[in-house]
Amino acid sequence: EVQLVESGGGLVQPGGSLRLSCIASGFTFSSHWMSWVRQAPGKGLEWVANINQDGNEKYHVDSVRGRFTISRDNAKNSLYLQMNILRAEDTAIYYCARDGVAAGIYFDFWGQGALVTVAS
Amino acid sequence: DIQMTQSPSTLSASVGDRVTITCRASQSISSWLAWYQQKPGKAPKLLIYMASSLESGVPSRFSGSGSGTEFTLTISSLQPDDFAIYYCQQYNSYSPLTFGGGTKVEIK
Repeated sequence: EVQLVESGGGLVQPGGSLRLSCIASGFTFSSHWMSWVRQAPGKGLEWVANINQDGNEKYHVDSVRGRFTISRDNAKNSLYLQMNILRAEDTAIYYCARDGVAAGIYFDFWGQGALVTVAS
Repeated sequence: DIQMTQSPSTLSASVGDRVTITCRASQSISSWLAWYQQKPGKAPKLLIYMASSLESGVPSRFSGSGSGTEFTLTISSLQPDDFAIYYCQQYNSYSPLTFGGGTKVEIK
């Protein structure tokens, strides 16, 4: 059974940092692109970043580029999101999501989400 | 960036109704489109990929169609479990991947 379990969320002050982790199980982690997708309270879905199987190709949405960094450790079946210089507008549930098995990047499995709250 | 526009934003329907949700892309995305269902407090669930391919385990009352810039998600006979928010997502362009604003299907 595919499982994605996020951790590391919490309350942080504006300008602070947080690192999210996602541990994967039930599939060959190193064979899939992985993404972070967020959802602000009461709002829609926003793709944040993704990373290829080897970790040498990464993309970030403009609003987080230079502040957030996606990474992975295939030996630990883990995906990470380092978030620096956090802003109030980064407050959201952050989902770890697996790329689907067919061509292209869509999301066939999602974690339960980690809540990040940026407030003073 | 490719913008995805869903309509309607809210849809009121009854059990047994045929329901259609539309998603329009700001430029052609061929068939690189997925549909998701999200219930309150839960993560999204994949329904359809490649515009019309049904994800394993998803009931056959869900279907997707379209290509280019206009797409539809149809629920042939709405069931109580289907009241949720539905999102489309384009993956023609990898950066950024973009979602539609969502369509809430509520009980009439």
